[in-house]
Amino acid sequence: GNSVTQMEGPVTLSEEAFLTINCTYTATGYPSLFWYVQYPGEGLQLLLKATKADDKGSNKGFEATYRKETTSFHLEKGSVQVSDSAVYFCALLEQAGTALIFGKGTTLSVSS
Amino acid sequence: DAGVTQSPTHLIKTRGQQVTLRCSPKSGHDTVSWYQQALGQGPQFIFQYYEEEERQRGNFPDRFSGHQFPNYSSELNVNALLLGDSALYLCASSTTLAGGTDTQYFGPGTRLTVL
Repeated sequence: GNSVTQMEGPVTLSEEAFLTINCTYTATGYPSLFWYVQYPGEGLQLLLKATKADDKGSNKGFEATYRKETTSFHLEKGSVQVSDSAVYFCALLEQAGTALIFGKGTTLSVSS
Repeated sequence: DAGVTQSPTHLIKTRGQQVTLRCSPKSGHDTVSWYQQALGQGPQFIFQYYEEEERQRGNFPDRFSGHQFPNYSSELNVNALLLGDSALYLCASSTTLAGGTDTQYFGPGTRLTVL
């Protein structure tokens, strides 16, 4: 079945460091891929998305590229801030599907 | 433009009781999905409602049921509560397209604690 695998956390970085959170997926066809962010005590916010191979999603300095050949959608940011501390979820929506399938989440902690 | 809203914010129940959670979708959206997020885990899909009918269901028992109203708002009902039902319940709204659902936007969630 379809699944999403994220790197284990927590990820601890200093402010202005480079961030990569790995995400790989298993799915048939051409799913859409998403990154959501969850701040403490809140719901999920859409961070970025990509709907087809080689698409790059970007928002607030975060980027991720849909790589069909490696079934990956890694999240990157060139310079993290303390305010980026949160839990990040990679998710897929199968082609013509209805249910989002999430990874287990990666906790990011940024210190000043 | 209001986003997805959920009520109540928090709820405490005891085992065996029943609970109803409510969700209003984002303006212009016609589809509502419900997810359960246990502590430290990713959200798990419960079911999705479109045109007032349950369109797809995840791996959840019949104790979990729902409803969608003509104004697209939705309710999640859980009967015979178990300790394991303690979780954050998230509602997501979206638009249904010819090829499936579009991007899902989440509400703030309802934190349910079962004692």
